[in-house]
Amino acid sequence: RKEVEQDPGPFNVPEGATVAFNCTYSNSASQSFFWYRQDCRKEPKLLMSVYSSGNEDGRFTAQLNRASQYISLLIRDSKLSDSATYLCVVPRPGNTPLVFGKGTRLSVIA
Amino acid sequence: EAGVAQSPRYKIIEKRQSVAFWCNPISGHATLYWYQQILGQGPKLLIQFQNNGVVDDSQLPKDRFSAERLKGVDSTLKIQPAKLEDSAVYLCASSNSRVTEKLFFGSGTQLSVL
Repeated sequence: RKEVEQDPGPFNVPEGATVAFNCTYSNSASQSFFWYRQDCRKEPKLLMSVYSSGNEDGRFTAQLNRASQYISLLIRDSKLSDSATYLCVVPRPGNTPLVFGKGTRLSVIA
Repeated sequence: EAGVAQSPRYKIIEKRQSVAFWCNPISGHATLYWYQQILGQGPKLLIQFQNNGVVDDSQLPKDRFSAERLKGVDSTLKIQPAKLEDSAVYLCASSNSRVTEKLFFGSGTQLSVL
């Protein structure tokens, strides 16, 4: 299994839809996980952190399944502004450095 | 608060030429990272500094890439000689702790090797 592996995408969804991305990881010792957002031709920015079973922030929910070694990101009521690439990030042993997945591209269509 | 500054924004060179990128992290951030992001892929760590010391350079192609952070503040990344496959965006990031999830990225330098 790769260190971090994400859904290939792209995901094309209409406004208002609910969309979910999955990410699997190989290091069972990892304690924390992150989702970064990267807009086209921009730098990545931290979206959410996941330390235990999950985290919710408005329309965004991140969930962790340690037994199956995957994390997911759920976006409800998609907006046009949610169009971006979502990067799954997992620390290596010792909590550093961060390993980024290839990203999943989301396009929200009017 | 000023963000991570990088220059140049774009660079076009021919293969076998040399190139250097500069990064100035957020003031007070002890940890600095250089990432390489090839089109369609996620950022790949090249090197991590803690102050002026190297924490991880296991994925840095040391035969052609070098980086330094002599005074523990700004940093330069050099490629000599460049290859076609070095075409990518080079992202600098900083954080205020060695163990942290929140990296602050600069806008990156887009390198095209012809």
